[in-house]
Amino acid sequence: DAGVIQSPRHEVTEMGQEVTLRCKPISGHNSLFWYRQTMMRGLELLIYFNNNVPIDDSGMPEDRFSAKMPNASFSTLKIQPSEPRDSAVYFCASSDRQGAYEQYFGPGTRLTVT
Amino acid sequence: AQSVTQLGSHVSVSEGALVLLRCNYSSSVPPYLFWYVQYPNQGLQLLLKYTTGATLVKGINGFEAEFKKSETSFHLTKPSAHMSDAAEYFCAVLSKDFNKFYFGSGTKLNVKP
Repeated sequence: DAGVIQSPRHEVTEMGQEVTLRCKPISGHNSLFWYRQTMMRGLELLIYFNNNVPIDDSGMPEDRFSAKMPNASFSTLKIQPSEPRDSAVYFCASSDRQGAYEQYFGPGTRLTVT
Repeated sequence: AQSVTQLGSHVSVSEGALVLLRCNYSSSVPPYLFWYVQYPNQGLQLLLKYTTGATLVKGINGFEAEFKKSETSFHLTKPSAHMSDAAEYFCAVLSKDFNKFYFGSGTKLNVKP
């Protein structure tokens, strides 16, 4: 298996622009998680889905952030409009809730908003 | 509610020395516990996990951890550090509804030659 795939790996954008991050979970996994990692705040859970349905989005910092999972093999995290404080590494992870629940992480997208 | 505390945000050891990274958890139910490692510019990778059964769990790269219920601890150890072990390590506990992880704040391990 190719593991969790994220794109792009790096994104540099100007304040005010829309940013879309993409994730392809491991085939057969039925849970998907979006995390943000910064030096100041560490690893934060933004939102997670079970069977394509958003279960808990309490970690989404503001209405500027939105996430979708239109099918079992694809999810997006969108920031509109972006701000410099959104600069971080964004990770997607997936897990099989029928198994031992461990999460498998993608390589991350490093977002820089100038 | 579940939570995880990792003592020491930075730990430095010499190559060949014992590695001990501390993790204490809070859980109202029997916990599922995990250790992850993050190498620079990479995602988190599972090192080992405890769900049920044997309390001493062995993972990849020579790491192991022992679940101690009486101490609510799940410390990570490795008998002899290698330069390649330099990374950040995260302890995590699974929520009681099995939906999500609660991660600790991480411990950066530095290995000196």
